[in-house]
Amino acid sequence: QVQLVESGGGVVQPGRSLRLSCAASGFMFSSFGMHWVRQAPGKGLEWVAVTWYDENWKSYADSVKGRFTISRDDSKNTLYLDMNRLGVEDTAVYYCVKDSHAVPDRTRFDFWGPGTLVTVAS
Amino acid sequence: DIQMTQSPSSLSAPVGDRVTITCRTSYDVARHLNWYQQTPGRAPKVLIYAASTLQSGVPSRFSGGASGSGTDFTLTISNLQPEDSATYFCQQSYRVPYTFGQGTKLEIK
Repeated sequence: QVQLVESGGGVVQPGRSLRLSCAASGFMFSSFGMHWVRQAPGKGLEWVAVTWYDENWKSYADSVKGRFTISRDDSKNTLYLDMNRLGVEDTAVYYCVKDSHAVPDRTRFDFWGPGTLVTVAS
Repeated sequence: DIQMTQSPSSLSAPVGDRVTITCRTSYDVARHLNWYQQTPGRAPKVLIYAASTLQSGVPSRFSGGASGSGTDFTLTISNLQPEDSATYFCQQSYRVPYTFGQGTKLEIK
């Protein structure tokens, strides 16, 4: 069965960096797009970034563009999110999410990890 | 960005009832519209994709609809059960950035 397990969350000071990881299993990782979606405490869902089956094909939300980098290591079945210049507005639970397709075509987020909490505070 | 307007923001209904949640997009998303359910402390799960296709394993009490405009969508839950108490989100997957509605919190009386 599909499993996604995030790690790397924690408390970090404003302006610092953090790397999130997501270990995937139960499916052919290299054949699917992968996303990060976040949810601030008590708030709604915000899509953050996607990497499609071709790692050169990525997109970002404007709120993180230039600060966050999504990447994947298909040999390790692992998704990453490198977050730089963190601000208090980045405080959220970050979910690793599997896409239903390799490319953007009638996609849906069909499996979600349990999430990892990132708290940006001094 | 494609804006998503979901209504109502909350509702309450008894067991056995039927409820409808609506989602309006600011642009024709050509039925690239998905619905998710999130219970407290859990990750969301997909219920409906491509506006009206039921995700595998989801009870048939859940159904999705779309108007001809390409901007108006509905999620209907029939025969409400206690486990349907959750927050429901719509999401467009037409183009990035993939945007979500603000959520509808459903309470089962």
